Amino acid sequence: GAVVSQHPSRVICKSGTSVKIECRSLDFQATTMFWYRQFPKQSLMLMATSNEGSKATYEQGVEKDKFLINHASLTLSTLTVTSAHPEDSSFYICSARDPSTQNTEAFFGQGTRLTVV
Amino acid sequence: GESVGLHLPTLSVQEGDNSIINCAYSNSASDYFIWYKQESGKGPQFIIDIRSNMDKRQGQRVTVLLNKTVKHLSLQIAATQPGDSAVYFCAENTGNQFYFGTGTSLTVIP
Repeated sequence: GAVVSQHPSRVICKSGTSVKIECRSLDFQATTMFWYRQFPKQSLMLMATSNEGSKATYEQGVEKDKFLINHASLTLSTLTVTSAHPEDSSFYICSARDPSTQNTEAFFGQGTRLTVV
Repeated sequence: GESVGLHLPTLSVQEGDNSIINCAYSNSASDYFIWYKQESGKGPQFIIDIRSNMDKRQGQRVTVLLNKTVKHLSLQIAATQPGDSAVYFCAENTGNQFYFGTGTSLTVIP
């Protein structure tokens, strides 16, 4: 199946700094990618839909100025957590669909564990 | 987002038994559903999917059942193995987005 890669897998940052997470589709072009957030023992919550060449669409309650999304190419979307605080510590996961196939499943990255200290 | 929920947050089964994990969804317009498996510290892994024009779909050791009348989805795992221990999520496709249910933690007892 298609492969989606996230980097880094783990990051620790100081409170007040910004952190960038990359999501790449390795063997297909993704016009749309999705960013999720997951707290321990909870489900994945959709944060935003990343659209190549245009602005991201954010879910209700997600601060777009806090979570900056850039989808500059068909294989790369980035999520930047700005002015991070300890409550931003979470597991962030991206996903993408391969539009060239008839399959409509979403492929997920390995996730990024963010810890803000 | 849409509301997709699960009835059982935890499930323990003996190795070799069959497992059934349930999910309720709220959007009757959803036309595609996926079951994902997530191991600790990893991203979700696709297990099986089903479209709304089907009632049942079988894979290797797994079966998904869809009851549109009551908006209910289930995942059946046959001959459960220790490697099946994980958290299982159903995901509902609405438009271009997937929304996830609460999740069920499956523990297989050797």
